[in-house]
Amino acid sequence: EVQLLESGGGLVQPGGSLRLSCVASGFSFTGYAMSWVRQAPGTGLEWVSGISGSGVSSFYADSVKGRFTISRDNFKDTVYLQMNSLRAEDTAVYFCAKDLGRRDAYSFDDAFDLWGQGTMVTVSS
Amino acid sequence: EIVLTQSPATLSLSPGERATLSCRASQSISTSLAWYQQKPGQAPRLLIFDASNRATGIPARFSGSGSGTDFTLTISSLEPEDFALYYCQQRSDWPPPMFTFGQGTKLEIK
Repeated sequence: EVQLLESGGGLVQPGGSLRLSCVASGFSFTGYAMSWVRQAPGTGLEWVSGISGSGVSSFYADSVKGRFTISRDNFKDTVYLQMNSLRAEDTAVYFCAKDLGRRDAYSFDDAFDLWGQGTMVTVSS
Repeated sequence: EIVLTQSPATLSLSPGERATLSCRASQSISTSLAWYQQKPGQAPRLLIFDASNRATGIPARFSGSGSGTDFTLTISSLEPEDFALYYCQQRSDWPPPMFTFGQGTKLEIK
């Protein structure tokens, strides 16, 4: 079955850290760029970070630059999001998403055709 | 940064009616626009990519159109399961590459 399964969410104090994981199955993971997208309670979608299929290229939204790090292990079919210096405004459901995969291993496609079920991150004292 | 503005914020219609949702980009994005549907407690689902191409498994009642700055998602005859939130999204090679979403349109039962 083609799917993405996130884990690692939870309750953390402001200034703390968490690492999210997303395990892929049912497709050739190396061929696709992956992203993390978050949704704060009752609000819309915000792209957080993306990494190319090769892992060479990665990019971040300004809101998390310098605090979050995306990485991937193509042997384990897993993408990670290391979140440091967490703030209350980082509270959200975090989804991992697979891109359409029509580009090469260093590029990003225009849309996301597979999403995980999400993992909740709550930053609160 | 390209901003996507969706309208209306809420659309109240009845099953069987036609729904027209709008997404406007702050600058031209050619046809690099996608549409997603999201139901409560669920992940978004890709409906349309490249402005007008239906994703795998999406019913033919969903169609997308537009180019440049103005885009439309049309649902030709609403089914009960279509009442949900809808988001448009685009990718830009600013640099660096980044993705932005519209604020969403809630399609509710009248």
